Amino acid sequence: KAGVTQTPRYLIKTRGQQVTLSCSPISGHRSVSWYQQTPGQGLQFLFEYFSETQRNKGNFPGRFSGRQFSNSRSEMNVSTLELGDSALYLCASSLAISYEQFFGPGTRLTVL
Amino acid sequence: KQEVTQIPAALSVPEGENLVLNCSFTDSAIYNLQWFRQDPGKGLTSLLLIQSSQREQTSGRLNASLDKSSGRSTLYIAASQPGDSATYLCAGRNMRFGAGTRLTVKP
Repeated sequence: KAGVTQTPRYLIKTRGQQVTLSCSPISGHRSVSWYQQTPGQGLQFLFEYFSETQRNKGNFPGRFSGRQFSNSRSEMNVSTLELGDSALYLCASSLAISYEQFFGPGTRLTVL
Repeated sequence: KQEVTQIPAALSVPEGENLVLNCSFTDSAIYNLQWFRQDPGKGLTSLLLIQSSQREQTSGRLNASLDKSSGRSTLYIAASQPGDSATYLCAGRNMRFGAGTRLTVKP
């Protein structure tokens, strides 16, 4: 059974650009969550999707957005990138909200 | 808002020791609690999930307990090995994470 996959694994962007990250959950999982991890702030929750609807949202500016497709795959978008957006972005999937979560390897975003 | 605290922030032990990692949370209405490990630069690996109706879960050398009334969970690692070296994180409902405990097991 394939795990959670995230693409791309590494990304370098410059300030002001926008970026889209992709997450494919484990087959059969309908909930996808996104997290940002930085050395200073640790793991912070961005948002959670279930059945194509955002169910929970963390405390991030509107530059961070996401969506989920009918096949449960999810994308997150960050517009007008800032240096502070450099982080490891992790995606996790679960059967449904509040079930056991399984994480992908992450996308390392560097903003120059 | 659920606040999760993990103590200690870092721990270094010799191989073979039994150890306990602590996780405290503020919302006693926790639905479930999950323990993870993270190796440097990698994603998180799920270790154990404890449902709110359960008191503990065991997997191999790992045992996690949950006490909702006191807002605490502990992860017990028996006979620690160098391969256990990693950062251990706990998370509750809505997946608010603690800062983690960085564990080093010395050969």
